[in-house]
Amino acid sequence: SQQGEEDPQALSIQEGENATMNCSYKTSINNLQWYRQNSGRGLVHLILIRSNEREKHSGRLRVTLDTSKKSSSLLITASRAADTASYFCATDVEGAQKLVFGQGTRLTINP
Amino acid sequence: DGGITQSPKYLFRKEGQNVTLSCEQNLNHDAMYWYRQDPGQGLRLIYYSQIVNDFQKGDIAEGYSVSREKKESFPLTVTSAQKNPTAFYLCASSRMGQGGEKLFFGSGTQLSVL
Repeated sequence: SQQGEEDPQALSIQEGENATMNCSYKTSINNLQWYRQNSGRGLVHLILIRSNEREKHSGRLRVTLDTSKKSSSLLITASRAADTASYFCATDVEGAQKLVFGQGTRLTINP
Repeated sequence: DGGITQSPKYLFRKEGQNVTLSCEQNLNHDAMYWYRQDPGQGLRLIYYSQIVNDFQKGDIAEGYSVSREKKESFPLTVTSAQKNPTAFYLCASSRMGQGGEKLFFGSGTQLSVL
């Protein structure tokens, strides 16, 4: 099964609300990254959080990492219609030289 | 503009045919990757290359082949041995071939079987 698993698989909210997506993983990691994918397009890197960090911010994005629970969350505040996309977590597994992607959360922002 | 260019955007394969997907980057990145994405799914690694003239199999390499003769280019061939090739293929690059690097992605190639 995938190293990273996002929850929920799909999320629909009203514009202006906050959106929270979660990612769980199975093995020890060096870092965890979040990416966004608009429909039919490539992925765009959003943020990277290292295993020794607990929280990181970038604009309206807030990422937390709890290595004891092997989980991460991505919070998008004050959502906009342009935030409609799929969001993926990707883990850099210790001992592996590659990223492993989860299955993604499909976020829909309703105007 | 610096970035990764994938071509074509859409590709159709006939039964028994090999097809090649192009990926070119002008970011001067050492590492390049090919991922396969099925509808509603995450990305699965096909092949990756950390340096010119060297590449490694990913998780689903069967039925695919690659070459890395130039730093800028990492073409993927989908061979007739790949029985279920219909998918969205994404090429990516990173500054170095380590998992801690962020990836830069192309805009993808949608491959369909006729």
